[in-house]
Amino acid sequence: EDQVTQSPEALRLQEGESSSLNCSYTVSGLRGLFWYRQDPGKGPEFLFTLYSAGEEKEKERLKATLTKKESFLHITAPKPEDSATYLCAVRPYSSASKIIFGSGTRLSIRP
Amino acid sequence: DVKVTQSSRYLVKRTGEKVFLECVQDMDHENMFWYRQDPGLGLRLIYFSYDVKMKEKGDIPEGYSVSREKKERFSLILESASTNQTSMYLCASGPGGTVPQETQYFGPGTRLLVL
Repeated sequence: EDQVTQSPEALRLQEGESSSLNCSYTVSGLRGLFWYRQDPGKGPEFLFTLYSAGEEKEKERLKATLTKKESFLHITAPKPEDSATYLCAVRPYSSASKIIFGSGTRLSIRP
Repeated sequence: DVKVTQSSRYLVKRTGEKVFLECVQDMDHENMFWYRQDPGLGLRLIYFSYDVKMKEKGDIPEGYSVSREKKERFSLILESASTNQTSMYLCASGPGGTVPQETQYFGPGTRLLVL
């Protein structure tokens, strides 16, 4: 069964304290892996797409990496405005349209 | 920029009422989706549509129906609202066909409270 697991569920960091969020996936072939940011009471906002192992994407303080079994979202020197829930999702080869979401990591950055 | 809009940010309805949630996208996407999001349960797919007048059940279709009469518009209908349908409803759209790797783009969400 296709599955996405994110860890930790919640992470509290001090401003400037770098860390990583993990997304482990089990799929029968990967079309793409996606990262989203979601602020409270709002819809998820697309961040990155990764297609193959070894690929990396960067945006400001965020860098996403991909291996054959997991993806990491590295946050370097975070600021309070980076506080949000980060969602990981995958599109397996078995699905032309649907994507499978993880339950998210709730990130809180203290000033 | 992709824009997905939803007809209401907040709705309060009574048990048994018929509820319509509307979603419009401006990117000419083939695929449109309705999810609900609940604490501890994450995002769950209710229905999706891959073409006008075409629809497929997602993981939790019971108690819901959908309508897609035009490519840009996808409606979610709660035939007889119940308290367990109180939730955040999210609409998304995405390209289909030759771009299978592309992601989905979400609207701002509708927070529905059924009393």
